[in-house]
Amino acid sequence: AQSVAQPEDQVNVAEGNPLTVKCTYSVSGNPYLFWYVQYPNRGLQFLLKYITGDNLVKGSYGFEAEFNKSQTSFHLKKPSALVSDSALYFCAVRDSSKRAGTALIFGKGTTLSVSS
Amino acid sequence: GAVVSQHPSRVICKSGTSVKIECRSLDFQATTMFWYRQFPKQSLMLMATSNEGSKATYEQGVEKDKFLINHASLTLSTLTVTSAHPEDSSFYICSATAPANTDTQYFGPGTRLTVL
Repeated sequence: AQSVAQPEDQVNVAEGNPLTVKCTYSVSGNPYLFWYVQYPNRGLQFLLKYITGDNLVKGSYGFEAEFNKSQTSFHLKKPSALVSDSALYFCAVRDSSKRAGTALIFGKGTTLSVSS
Repeated sequence: GAVVSQHPSRVICKSGTSVKIECRSLDFQATTMFWYRQFPKQSLMLMATSNEGSKATYEQGVEKDKFLINHASLTLSTLTVTSAHPEDSSFYICSATAPANTDTQYFGPGTRLTVL
């Protein structure tokens, strides 16, 4: 069965410091991995995805994530956090062996709080 | 590109009435649309998957007679909550995939439903 774990309910960082939001996954085949961000009372905004190729994926707003197959992880990172990065972050996975158009499996979400 | 809209953004209704929520892909034809439900500070729960011109596939535990989904065209899917009750109050979010990029889901801004 597919699953996604985001072990931290909340991550607190100071503005200007690097941030990491953790994600681990479990799928039977090769994973397609995604990060989304959600601001209060809004839908999800796509940040980045890993399908194949380079393990380091760069996305929107200066975010990046590294796919680590041996650790089954896809942690989200940013070198220098901004107060405006404060939001709810979701990691999601889809098994590549599933047909196209299969729904994503989401983690429970991690609230990122960046203090000034 | 890849913009998904939802209407209304917020709706308040009386118990026993029905509410229709629209999800539109504005600049692409959506191969598949998904409907999610999100409780406060929780992850997204997939309710159903809909493909244009065919019946929606509902997740286990989701009542298809209560949550009617119609995917009438490649740009429009509707979710009707029939005979709404206070426990149906939630944040409903749709997403869509495009034929050229079925790996990525694009999310609508969500609809906040409050049933009195």
